[in-house]
Amino acid sequence: GAVVSQHPSRVICKSGTSVKIECRSLDFQATTMFWYRQFPKQSLMLMATSNEGSKATYEQGVEKDKFLINHASLTLSTLTVTSAHPEDSSFYICSARDGGRSTDLQYFGAGTRLSVL
Amino acid sequence: SQQGEEDPQALSIQEGENATMNCSYKTSINNLQWYRQNSGRGLVHLILIRSNEREKHSGRLRVTLDTSKKSSSLLITASRAADTASYFCATVPRGTGGFKTIFGAGTRLFVKA
Repeated sequence: GAVVSQHPSRVICKSGTSVKIECRSLDFQATTMFWYRQFPKQSLMLMATSNEGSKATYEQGVEKDKFLINHASLTLSTLTVTSAHPEDSSFYICSARDGGRSTDLQYFGAGTRLSVL
Repeated sequence: SQQGEEDPQALSIQEGENATMNCSYKTSINNLQWYRQNSGRGLVHLILIRSNEREKHSGRLRVTLDTSKKSSSLLITASRAADTASYFCATVPRGTGGFKTIFGAGTRLFVKA
Protein backbone atom coordinates (compact mmCIF):
# COMPACT_ATOMS: atom_id res chain seq x y z
CA GLY A 1 0.00 0.00 0.00
CA ALA A 2 0.91 3.64 -0.35
CA VAL A 3 3.25 4.96 2.32
CA VAL A 4 3.71 8.49 3.52
CA SER A 5 6.71 9.24 5.67
CA GLN A 6 6.66 12.24 7.97
CA HIS A 7 9.74 13.54 9.74
CA PRO A 8 10.53 14.32 12.46
CA SER A 9 8.06 12.47 14.65
CA ARG A 10 8.73 14.77 17.55
CA VAL A 11 10.47 18.10 17.93
CA ILE A 12 11.06 20.36 20.88
CA CYS A 13 12.24 23.87 20.19
CA LYS A 14 12.69 27.23 21.84
CA SER A 15 10.26 30.04 21.28
CA GLY A 16 11.23 32.16 18.28
CA THR A 17 12.92 29.43 16.29
CA SER A 18 11.65 27.94 13.05
CA VAL A 19 10.84 24.28 12.59
CA LYS A 20 10.59 22.37 9.32
CA ILE A 21 8.48 19.24 8.96
CA GLU A 22 8.86 16.99 5.93
CA CYS A 23 6.24 14.84 4.32
CA ARG A 24 7.31 12.32 1.67
CA SER A 25 5.35 9.92 -0.45
CA LEU A 26 7.55 6.85 -0.73
CA ASP A 27 6.01 4.80 -3.52
CA PHE A 28 3.71 7.13 -5.40
CA GLN A 29 3.59 10.60 -6.84
CA ALA A 30 1.64 12.95 -4.64
CA THR A 31 0.23 15.71 -6.78
CA THR A 32 -1.65 17.03 -3.78
CA MET A 33 -0.69 17.03 -0.13
CA PHE A 34 -2.60 18.29 2.86
CA TRP A 35 -1.43 19.62 6.20
CA TYR A 36 -3.53 19.25 9.32
CA ARG A 37 -3.14 20.39 12.90
CA GLN A 38 -4.60 18.53 15.84
CA PHE A 39 -4.82 19.81 19.39
CA PRO A 40 -5.11 17.31 22.27
CA LYS A 41 -8.36 15.39 22.29
CA GLN A 42 -9.62 17.33 19.30
CA SER A 43 -10.14 16.59 15.65
CA LEU A 44 -7.89 17.29 12.71
CA MET A 45 -8.18 20.79 11.32
CA LEU A 46 -7.15 21.28 7.72
CA MET A 47 -4.53 24.01 7.50
CA ALA A 48 -3.66 24.04 3.83
CA THR A 49 -3.74 22.18 0.56
CA SER A 50 -0.49 21.93 -1.31
CA ASN A 51 -0.24 21.24 -5.03
CA GLU A 52 3.08 20.37 -6.62
CA GLY A 53 4.65 23.34 -8.33
CA SER A 54 2.13 25.91 -7.17
CA LYS A 55 1.33 27.97 -4.11
CA ALA A 56 -0.51 26.34 -1.27
CA THR A 57 -4.13 27.14 -0.55
CA TYR A 58 -4.62 28.05 3.08
CA GLU A 59 -7.78 27.61 5.09
CA GLN A 60 -9.44 30.60 6.65
CA GLY A 61 -7.65 31.73 9.78
CA VAL A 62 -4.33 30.06 8.97
CA GLU A 63 -1.48 32.53 8.59
CA LYS A 64 0.43 31.75 5.42
CA ASP A 65 3.44 33.74 6.57
CA LYS A 66 3.51 31.75 9.78
CA PHE A 67 3.11 28.33 8.21
CA LEU A 68 5.20 28.16 5.07
CA ILE A 69 4.42 25.29 2.75
CA ASN A 70 6.61 24.17 -0.10
CA HIS A 71 5.69 21.36 -2.50
CA ALA A 72 8.64 21.46 -4.85
CA SER A 73 8.49 17.88 -6.05
CA LEU A 74 5.93 15.15 -6.55
CA THR A 75 7.17 13.29 -3.50
CA LEU A 76 7.97 15.99 -0.98
CA SER A 77 6.09 18.73 0.80
CA THR A 78 7.44 20.70 3.72
CA LEU A 79 5.75 22.75 6.41
CA THR A 80 7.86 25.35 8.17
CA VAL A 81 6.53 26.87 11.35
CA THR A 82 8.28 30.22 11.48
CA SER A 83 9.10 31.99 14.74
CA ALA A 84 7.34 29.31 16.71
CA HIS A 85 5.57 30.19 19.94
CA PRO A 86 4.10 27.97 22.67
CA GLU A 87 0.62 28.31 21.17
CA ASP A 88 1.95 26.60 18.02
CA SER A 89 2.56 23.45 20.05
CA SER A 90 0.40 20.81 18.46
CA PHE A 91 0.33 17.58 16.50
CA TYR A 92 0.85 18.21 12.78
CA ILE A 93 -0.18 15.57 10.26
CA CYS A 94 0.31 15.49 6.54
CA SER A 95 -1.52 13.44 3.98
CA ALA A 96 -1.04 12.83 0.29
CA ARG A 97 -3.25 11.94 -2.61
CA ASP A 98 -1.92 9.55 -5.25
CA GLY A 99 -1.96 11.50 -8.49
CA GLY A 100 -1.56 8.35 -10.54
CA ARG A 101 -4.75 6.73 -9.35
CA SER A 102 -8.38 7.68 -9.61
CA THR A 103 -9.16 7.53 -5.94
CA ASP A 104 -10.52 9.70 -3.17
CA LEU A 105 -8.18 8.12 -0.66
CA GLN A 106 -5.55 10.08 1.16
CA TYR A 107 -2.58 8.47 2.81
CA PHE A 108 -1.50 9.88 6.14
CA GLY A 109 1.86 10.35 7.72
CA ALA A 110 2.42 9.33 11.33
CA GLY A 111 2.41 12.94 12.50
CA THR A 112 4.85 15.32 14.15
CA ARG A 113 4.43 16.44 17.72
CA LEU A 114 5.75 19.96 18.10
CA SER A 115 6.46 21.34 21.55
CA VAL A 116 7.56 24.96 21.75
CA LEU A 117 9.12 25.97 25.05
CA SER B 1 -13.78 24.29 9.13
CA GLN B 2 -15.22 21.13 10.58
CA GLN B 3 -18.13 19.57 8.84
CA GLY B 4 -18.90 16.49 10.85
CA GLU B 5 -20.32 16.11 14.28
CA GLU B 6 -19.95 12.79 16.01
CA ASP B 7 -21.63 11.15 18.92
CA PRO B 8 -20.96 9.94 21.37
CA GLN B 9 -17.83 11.93 22.13
CA ALA B 10 -16.64 9.05 24.27
CA LEU B 11 -17.72 5.44 24.57
CA SER B 12 -16.62 2.80 27.06
CA ILE B 13 -17.63 -0.83 26.54
CA GLN B 14 -16.61 -4.33 27.53
CA GLU B 15 -14.66 -6.56 25.21
CA GLY B 16 -17.01 -8.58 23.04
CA GLU B 17 -19.71 -5.93 22.95
CA ASN B 18 -20.61 -3.96 19.85
CA ALA B 19 -19.71 -0.30 19.52
CA THR B 20 -21.76 2.13 17.46
CA MET B 21 -20.59 5.60 16.55
CA ASN B 22 -22.58 8.17 14.65
CA CYS B 23 -21.59 11.04 12.42
CA SER B 24 -23.62 13.89 10.96
CA TYR B 25 -22.52 16.34 8.34
CA LYS B 26 -23.84 19.51 6.82
CA THR B 27 -23.28 19.69 3.07
CA SER B 28 -23.62 17.38 0.09
CA ILE B 29 -20.75 14.97 -0.18
CA ASN B 30 -18.95 12.79 -2.70
CA ASN B 31 -18.08 10.19 -0.11
CA LEU B 32 -17.62 9.61 3.60
CA GLN B 33 -14.72 7.87 5.22
CA TRP B 34 -13.98 6.50 8.66
CA TYR B 35 -10.54 6.61 10.21
CA ARG B 36 -9.00 5.28 13.40
CA GLN B 37 -6.31 7.05 15.37
CA ASN B 38 -4.41 5.49 18.22
CA SER B 39 -3.29 7.95 20.86
CA GLY B 40 -0.67 10.33 19.51
CA ARG B 41 -0.36 8.49 16.22
CA GLY B 42 -1.32 8.95 12.61
CA LEU B 43 -4.58 7.97 11.01
CA VAL B 44 -5.52 4.58 9.69
CA HIS B 45 -8.12 4.48 6.94
CA LEU B 46 -10.90 2.03 7.75
CA ILE B 47 -13.56 2.29 5.12
CA LEU B 48 -14.94 4.58 2.42
CA ILE B 49 -18.59 4.73 1.45
CA ARG B 50 -19.73 6.65 -1.59
CA SER B 51 -22.76 8.90 -1.69
CA ASN B 52 -24.71 6.38 -3.78
CA GLU B 53 -24.08 3.54 -1.34
CA ARG B 54 -26.16 2.82 1.73
CA GLU B 55 -24.16 0.18 3.56
CA LYS B 56 -20.71 -1.30 3.45
CA HIS B 57 -18.93 -4.04 5.36
CA SER B 58 -15.29 -4.74 6.06
CA GLY B 59 -14.50 -7.52 8.50
CA ARG B 60 -15.99 -6.53 11.86
CA LEU B 61 -16.88 -3.07 10.57
CA ARG B 62 -20.25 -2.05 9.20
CA VAL B 63 -20.85 1.45 7.90
CA THR B 64 -24.18 2.94 6.89
CA LEU B 65 -24.86 6.16 5.09
CA ASP B 66 -28.14 8.07 4.95
CA THR B 67 -27.69 11.03 2.63
CA SER B 68 -31.24 12.25 3.26
CA LYS B 69 -30.39 12.68 6.94
CA LYS B 70 -26.78 13.56 6.24
CA SER B 71 -25.61 10.95 8.70
CA SER B 72 -23.47 7.86 8.92
CA SER B 73 -22.81 5.21 11.50
CA LEU B 74 -19.87 2.93 12.19
CA LEU B 75 -20.53 -0.35 13.94
CA ILE B 76 -17.69 -2.42 15.33
CA THR B 77 -18.87 -5.89 16.25
CA ALA B 78 -17.31 -8.16 18.87
CA SER B 79 -14.99 -5.41 20.04
CA ARG B 80 -11.49 -6.11 21.29
CA ALA B 81 -9.20 -4.22 23.60
CA ALA B 82 -7.07 -3.41 20.55
CA ASP B 83 -9.99 -1.44 19.11
CA THR B 84 -9.41 1.21 21.77
CA ALA B 85 -8.74 4.39 19.78
CA SER B 86 -10.36 7.55 18.48
CA TYR B 87 -12.59 7.17 15.46
CA PHE B 88 -13.23 10.00 13.02
CA CYS B 89 -15.60 10.36 10.15
CA ALA B 90 -14.40 12.46 7.28
CA THR B 91 -16.31 13.85 4.34
CA VAL B 92 -15.35 15.08 0.93
CA PRO B 93 -17.81 17.92 0.29
CA ARG B 94 -19.03 18.49 -3.23
CA GLY B 95 -17.67 21.56 -4.92
CA THR B 96 -14.24 21.38 -3.32
CA GLY B 97 -12.51 19.72 -6.22
CA GLY B 98 -13.44 16.27 -5.01
CA PHE B 99 -10.66 15.68 -2.56
CA LYS B 100 -10.70 18.19 0.27
CA THR B 101 -11.39 16.13 3.37
CA ILE B 102 -13.10 17.54 6.43
CA PHE B 103 -12.95 15.63 9.70
CA GLY B 104 -15.56 15.26 12.39
CA ALA B 105 -14.90 15.79 16.07
CA GLY B 106 -14.30 12.10 16.71
CA THR B 107 -15.43 9.45 19.15
CA ARG B 108 -13.02 8.15 21.73
CA LEU B 109 -13.66 4.44 22.19
CA PHE B 110 -12.34 2.52 25.17
CA VAL B 111 -12.74 -1.24 25.17
CA LYS B 112 -12.18 -2.85 28.54
CA ALA B 113 -10.63 -6.30 28.60
